[in-house]
Amino acid sequence: DVKVTQSSRYLVKRTGEKVFLECVQDMDHENMFWYRQDPGLGLRLIYFSYDVKMKEKGDIPEGYSVSREKKERFSLILESASTNQTSMYLCASSKSPSYEQYFGPGTRLTVT
Amino acid sequence: GQSLEQPSEVTAVEGAIVQINCTYQTSGFYGLSWYQQHDGGAPTFLSYNALDGLEETGRFSSFLSRSDSYGYLLLQELQMKDSASYFCAALPSGGSYIPTFGRGTSLIVHP
Repeated sequence: DVKVTQSSRYLVKRTGEKVFLECVQDMDHENMFWYRQDPGLGLRLIYFSYDVKMKEKGDIPEGYSVSREKKERFSLILESASTNQTSMYLCASSKSPSYEQYFGPGTRLTVT
Repeated sequence: GQSLEQPSEVTAVEGAIVQINCTYQTSGFYGLSWYQQHDGGAPTFLSYNALDGLEETGRFSSFLSRSDSYGYLLLQELQMKDSASYFCAALPSGGSYIPTFGRGTSLIVHP
């Protein structure tokens, strides 16, 4: 059974804190994605990685960075959390081409 | 670039058939995917159309017409558990493997 796991389902952080969201997949997929999902806005891509140590900016990378040191793990970092980063964060992985993505359960982050 | 348009909400009754449309403006793409997401859950893959025509998977079917820049997801024999959000996603051609998602359609199934 394929699986994408995320480190936390719910997270509450204070403004200015550094936040790490981790994602692990066990399918040996080369592609991994971080999205944020907000009501009425659908899924917006933050960053994409197509290989270890490789990354590409998505539609909304500002305020975020990523790290992919191992193929199975893709981390999203909020260097200094702000209230407008309160959202649902979804990680996904896929083979290439990425017409079929597998999503993790999501992390609902609240920044106060 | 790509842009996908979906209705924001569709309602139907149990047992009925419903069609969720996805129209797109794109310079070129490999195909169209569909995902289902229940409230509080993660999106799950439903289907992918690489070619024009109808793909059937049980009660769900998906259709693509490149000449009309249009696709749809067809749900038959609706059940209450089909109440969810449905997203279309286009996979661009030209080297980037980053799909673009529509904003999603909330399907509400009434008894």
